[in-house]
Amino acid sequence: KQEVTQIPAALSVPEGENLVLNCSFTDSAIYNLQWFRQDPGKGLTSLLLIQSSQREQTSGRLNASLDKSSGRSTLYIAASQPGDSATYLCAVRTDNTDKLIFGTGTRLQVFP
Amino acid sequence: GAVVSQHPSRVICKSGTSVKIECRSLDFQATTMFWYRQFPKKSLMLMATSNEGSKATYEQGVEKDKFLINHASLTLSTLTVTSAHPEDSSFYICSARTGPRHYEQYFGPGTRLTVT
Repeated sequence: KQEVTQIPAALSVPEGENLVLNCSFTDSAIYNLQWFRQDPGKGLTSLLLIQSSQREQTSGRLNASLDKSSGRSTLYIAASQPGDSATYLCAVRTDNTDKLIFGTGTRLQVFP
Repeated sequence: GAVVSQHPSRVICKSGTSVKIECRSLDFQATTMFWYRQFPKKSLMLMATSNEGSKATYEQGVEKDKFLINHASLTLSTLTVTSAHPEDSSFYICSARTGPRHYEQYFGPGTRLTVT
């Protein structure tokens, strides 16, 4: 059974810092991995999607890497801003079930 | 493109009543929609997969008679919580897939259900 874990569970940093959020999964047979952002009481916004054949994806200040064999992905946020404060979720789509399995989330607070 | 809406955004109902939540794909046709439940400060748990014109597939542990799912058209899926209890209070989020298997899912804004 696929399990997805995210570390740290919570993070509070001053603005301007570069951040690394971690996601690990137990079954490497994934189709792709996706990072989402969720603001309090809101739905999900897709940030980056990495196919299993890819190593990384970039969008603006965000960079996500994928090491499928070791079951890990990292989301790198450069020059963090207060507007980045949110919960970040990673989710993997398994090869055989086509379901999205979500991680436990990292709650990020960036203070001025 | 690929916008998914949910209605209502918030609902409060009394114990024993039923409440319906709608999920709509606004600018695309979705043969498959998904319903998730999220407890406070927890991650999303898949409840069921809804396919247009056929019965929904429920995840283990989800009561299909309590959480009725109907996907009658390519742009609308509904989740009805029957005989609601306070423990059903949660944040319900739907998503819709833009294409066949493995295509990306787009998520709705969620519905906050409170049962008093």
